[in-house]
Amino acid sequence: GQSLEQPSEVTAVEGAIVQINCTYQTSGFYGLSWYQQHDGGAPTFLSYNALDGLEETGRFSSFLSRSDSYGYLLLQELQMKDSASYFCAVSYSGGYNKLIFGAGTRLAVHP
Amino acid sequence: DVKVTQSSRYLVKRTGEKVFLECVQDMDHENMFWYRQDPGLGLRLIYFSYDVKMKEKGDIPEGYSVSREKKERFSLILESASTNQTSMYLCASSSIDREGYEQYFGPGTRLTVT
Repeated sequence: GQSLEQPSEVTAVEGAIVQINCTYQTSGFYGLSWYQQHDGGAPTFLSYNALDGLEETGRFSSFLSRSDSYGYLLLQELQMKDSASYFCAVSYSGGYNKLIFGAGTRLAVHP
Repeated sequence: DVKVTQSSRYLVKRTGEKVFLECVQDMDHENMFWYRQDPGLGLRLIYFSYDVKMKEKGDIPEGYSVSREKKERFSLILESASTNQTSMYLCASSSIDREGYEQYFGPGTRLTVT
């Protein structure tokens, strides 16, 4: 089967750095994606990792370790607008362009 | 600009009614998806379509059906609405060129079944 685990909630202060972890158990793993969803909004794509290592996109970075079945999303210089839910999602062989989403991590950024 | 639209933001229906949720994308994407989102459960796939008239069951297809007669439009049908189908429904689309990892979502339809 396929499963993902991520923390349900994370709290941080403005300007800080926060890491949201995601562990997965996936047969035929292709890659790990991250999505952001603000309250009342649609999920939006943030990043994708298919190879081991760190991918940086501005204040956000995403990391993957295929050998550990683990990835994380790193948010730097946190801003209030980063308060949202963050979902990791895996793509896999046999899934034909489908994604399996984690339950999501709610990030609260405080002043 | 990429766009996925859904026919309603909020919908209230009675138990036993037949409910139609419509989704339209303007990106010429091959893949379209219907998810439901419930607190603490993330996004669960109901149905998936990879081409016109082609569909595949997702993880929770019971009580739902879908229709894709045109590439840009994907409809979700609740044959006989029940209270346990009260949820947020999200439509998404993706291109096969990106191997499906980048999905574009509509704003969602919050359905309440009373």
